[in-house]
Amino acid sequence: RKEVEQDPGPFNVPEGATVAFNCTYSNSASQSFFWYRQDCRKEPKLLMSVYSSGNEDGRFTAQLNRASQYISLLIRDSKLSDSATYLCVVKEGSNYQLIWGAGTKLIIKP
Amino acid sequence: GAGVSQTPSNKVTEKGKYVELRCDPISGHTALYWYRQSLGQGPEFLIYFQGTGAADDSGLPNDRFFAVRPEGSVSTLKIQRTERGDSAVYLCASSWGSANTGELFFGEGSRLTVL
Repeated sequence: RKEVEQDPGPFNVPEGATVAFNCTYSNSASQSFFWYRQDCRKEPKLLMSVYSSGNEDGRFTAQLNRASQYISLLIRDSKLSDSATYLCVVKEGSNYQLIWGAGTKLIIKP
Repeated sequence: GAGVSQTPSNKVTEKGKYVELRCDPISGHTALYWYRQSLGQGPEFLIYFQGTGAADDSGLPNDRFFAVRPEGSVSTLKIQRTERGDSAVYLCASSWGSANTGELFFGEGSRLTVL
């Protein structure tokens, strides 16, 4: 079993719609969680951290469910520019190591 | 420049050749990571430097791979006797300290193709 699992997609979503995807992690001791965005043939960039109480950044909402060991990302009013691969990342305590999911591909259609 | 710089951006080589990939991190970042990424996969950890020393090289796939960071800034990833399976994008990232905030700053990568 992979340490961090994501549905690879692609999720094909019409512009303006709301889309959500999850990521599950296997290590219950994981402490920190993040979503990165990676555009085609580009490098990953931090989208947002995920806090225990959930957090929102504009149209993006991230949530953590420790009991079920998953995090989620919700995108409202999706834009064409949201098309990208979204990578789930987990950090275990103060360890420098980041554990990466394989990513979920999102395609926003006009 | 302000960001992480990697060279070359593309490298095509023949099986069995030696390759060096260079990473110039953001000035002042003490932590430096090398990852490699294949199509449809997330970044795969290779090696982590804190300053000049390799704090963790457990991700290097075999002894054909080696990386150095002699002055605590620029790093070079060296691959000997390249194989077709080494073809991937090699990503370098840097951060303050040990990425406590989870934010790594990546370069655009070096795309290696082994024929």
